[in-house]
Order: sequence, then structure tokens, then C-alpha cells
Amino acid sequence: IVMTQSPATLSVSPGGRGTLSCRASQSVSVNLAWYQQKPGQAPRLLIYGAVTRATGTPARFSGERSGTEFTLTISSLQSEDFAFYYCQQYKNWPWTFGQGTKVEI
Amino acid sequence: QVQLVESGGGVVQPGRSLRLSCAASGFPFNTYTMHWVRQAPGKGLEWVAVIGYDGSNKFYADSVMGRFTISRDDSKNTLYLQTNSLRGDDTAVYYCVREHSDYGGWPLGSWGQGTLVTVSS
Repeated sequence: IVMTQSPATLSVSPGGRGTLSCRASQSVSVNLAWYQQKPGQAPRLLIYGAVTRATGTPARFSGERSGTEFTLTISSLQSEDFAFYYCQQYKNWPWTFGQGTKVEI
Repeated sequence: QVQLVESGGGVVQPGRSLRLSCAASGFPFNTYTMHWVRQAPGKGLEWVAVIGYDGSNKFYADSVMGRFTISRDDSKNTLYLQTNSLRGDDTAVYYCVREHSDYGGWPLGSWGQGTLVTVSS
């Protein structure tokens, strides 16, 4: 399953709203996760089941699903949110990641 | 708390082998499905391999099939990745990852800090 993220880079002002997209090449049902990765750090699980926030994920992060289209929205970007974001399907082997979106100031 | 500590990375010549290890603590290791994920320098994430909580199911990325072998020793709370016939495009940070919850079917919940494998002559 090919996961396609857009845009590659998202420029947002602090306090602004960011919308990241991820498209699956075939159905993954709700088996879609979002991860955040900051430079020099391991990734961190943000959202799973397409819409469920992981423990510790702030409420400003939300996930949506429409068929094979998925969206991660950050409602009011804080300084600590500027990072890379990856979507990943865990429906079928091999598991696959999108190529990532860089959220920058 | 959950701890995953990888080791075994280093510089290796093309065609040679390395065995990566991941020491797990802070959770019941034998009830969790475990994965390896890698990230080439400046690139995105690539899922590599998985082993079920009971060791019975193993799957691999096409790029490593037949060259890499995942295994676990529950008596030592340790995950392994045997990497053979290494190539330049295997150069990456290799992360040991525990699923979000137990008994399988969950996304990647807890990550180690990674071990760097550099394949170069």
C-alpha cells in the first residue's frame, strides 16, 4: 500500500492552523497512525485508529478520515509543533509510511 | 517506564553482517509484538520487520527479505535483527519499536533512540 502525503512542506505562523493530508492507494480502514519527529529524536505516536489521540497528545491535534483520505489538523500551532509528521498504515504487511510533511515556521 | 535500548550498530563493509540487539524493560516483553524501523540519513521512515508477541509470525519489507532475520529471546527481554549481505542503501538509524498495546494489531507506540548502521568500504 502506497501512502502519499501532502504537502512536502507546510509553512505556518505560530498560532495558525495546519492541515496535513495523507492518501492511501487502497483501503486501510481506520488502521492509520500519525507520528511526529523532531530533529535528532525518535518518532512519537500522535494519533492512531485515524482519529484517536495517543496518551499525551494535546487536544489541538485531531485526525479525520474520509475513505482513503486522512487529515491531521493542528488547530493552533505552538513552537514545539514545528517538526516532521508521518502517516503510516498498519492494515496490511508490509506496513508503509508516507514520505513525511515538514511543518515549519 | 518503557525502555528500549538498541546496540550493535557501527561501520561495516558491503556484503558483511551485523547483529542488532534491543534490550527491553518496564513492560511484559512476552506479550508485545515488536518491530524494527529504519531511517536513512536525511530521509523518511521505513518499516523493516516485525515479530509477533509469541514469535510465531514474522514479516519483512521487500527491501530486506532474504537478507535480514528478526528474532526474540523472551528470557532475556531482547529483540534482535540479524542483517546479512549489507548494502550501501542499508545505511540508516535502526529503531527498535514496541507496539502501542499488547497481543498485536496496534501501531508503533514506544521507540528506542536508535542505533546507526553505516555500510561503507
